[in-house]
Amino acid sequence: AQSVTQPDIHITVSEGASLELRCNYSYGATPYLFWSVQYPNQGLQLLLKYLSGSTLVKGINGFEAEFNKSQTSFHLRKPSVHISDTAEYFCAVGNNFNKFYFGSGTKLNVKP
Amino acid sequence: NAGVTQTPKFRVLKTGQSMTLLCAQDMNHEYMYWYRQDPGMGLRLIHYSVGEGTTAKGEVPDGYNVSRLKKQNFLLGLESAAPSQTSVYFCASSYDDSGANVLTFGAGSRLTVL
Repeated sequence: AQSVTQPDIHITVSEGASLELRCNYSYGATPYLFWSVQYPNQGLQLLLKYLSGSTLVKGINGFEAEFNKSQTSFHLRKPSVHISDTAEYFCAVGNNFNKFYFGSGTKLNVKP
Repeated sequence: NAGVTQTPKFRVLKTGQSMTLLCAQDMNHEYMYWYRQDPGMGLRLIHYSVGEGTTAKGEVPDGYNVSRLKKQNFLLGLESAAPSQTSVYFCASSYDDSGANVLTFGAGSRLTVL
């Protein structure tokens, strides 16, 4: 069965620290992989996506993610976080939007 | 700004009441989707539409109906609201259903059923 696991519900980091948000998935084939961000009272915005090719994907606002097929993971990273990165982050997998699978989300709090 | 607009943003209902959420997009997208978001869970697809006049069931369709009479509008209806339908509802649209394209979300509609 297809599923997405984000094991960390809440993460708090200090401004300027590095960040890794974990995502593991279960899918029948190699899917498209996505990370999205949700700021309070807003819809989801795409940070980055992996479709094929290079396993290291760079997105907006300095975020990047690495697709690891053997570990079925797609962890999100940022070298130095800013207070404005405080938000909830969702990992999602799927090749078609009508059969998309979202993780339960990780709430990130960046403290001064 | 072009995008996806949802109305209303907030609504409180009593059990058994009915209501309709409206989603409008001005990007000429063929595909439109309704999701619900609950605490500790990711978004789950309720219904979707692949074009004007079409609708299809998603992962959690029970208790909801939808209509796509105009290409730019996708309506989500609750005929008899239940407390289990308390949630935040998101509409989204896309050019087609390929994950290679962009899925654009609205800002959400928060529904509370008492």
